[in-house]
Amino acid sequence: DVKVTQSSRYLVKRTGEKVFLECVQDMDHENMFWYRQDPGLGLRLIYFSYDVKMKEKGDIPEGYSVSREKKERFSLILESASTNQTSMYLCASAEGGDRQETQYFGPGTRLLVL
Amino acid sequence: GDSVTQMEGPVTLSEEAFLTINCTYTATGYPSLFWYVQYPGEGLQLLLKATKADDKGSNKGFEATYRKETTSFHLEKGSVQVSDSAVYFCALGYSNFGNEKLTFGTGTRLTIIP
Repeated sequence: DVKVTQSSRYLVKRTGEKVFLECVQDMDHENMFWYRQDPGLGLRLIYFSYDVKMKEKGDIPEGYSVSREKKERFSLILESASTNQTSMYLCASAEGGDRQETQYFGPGTRLLVL
Repeated sequence: GDSVTQMEGPVTLSEEAFLTINCTYTATGYPSLFWYVQYPGEGLQLLLKATKADDKGSNKGFEATYRKETTSFHLEKGSVQVSDSAVYFCALGYSNFGNEKLTFGTGTRLTIIP
């Protein structure tokens, strides 16, 4: 079974702090994704990566950056956390190319910014 | 651009009732369609998918048919159980390189009462 793990289930940070959210997958997937989930808005893509050191902006990249130094690990960085970044963050991975389609999700990190 | 519209929730049904959750989409190409489910406290997991028009996806008693003429992918189950209580997300996606992201609907919360 594919396993996607996220570093924390719950996180509380203060405004202005730099926040790191980490995601690790164990299936040698090429593609990895970061989403945020908010009530009434569904899931919105922040960034995705289709290879090591490669990244593409999603629909809402402002205020976020990402890092992919190893194939299995994809980090989301909030450079200076703000209260409007309080949300549930979901990481996903998928095979690349024409085998992609199905994404496998981690359990999520619920972030509260005070 | 692409978009997915789901019926508004929450939906509350009695056990053994028939379930329909409506999903319609707007797409610029020929996407695959997905239903993902999120159980309380967990990440999303794939429930079923269909990759081309007239395909039917099925899993755990749930079914959905890819209808190109009506741009729909409605989720149905003949007899729901309490364990089906969850949030259901409709999504579309492509598998061509560089365009592997999923576009999600806003989700429909389903509660089944005994």
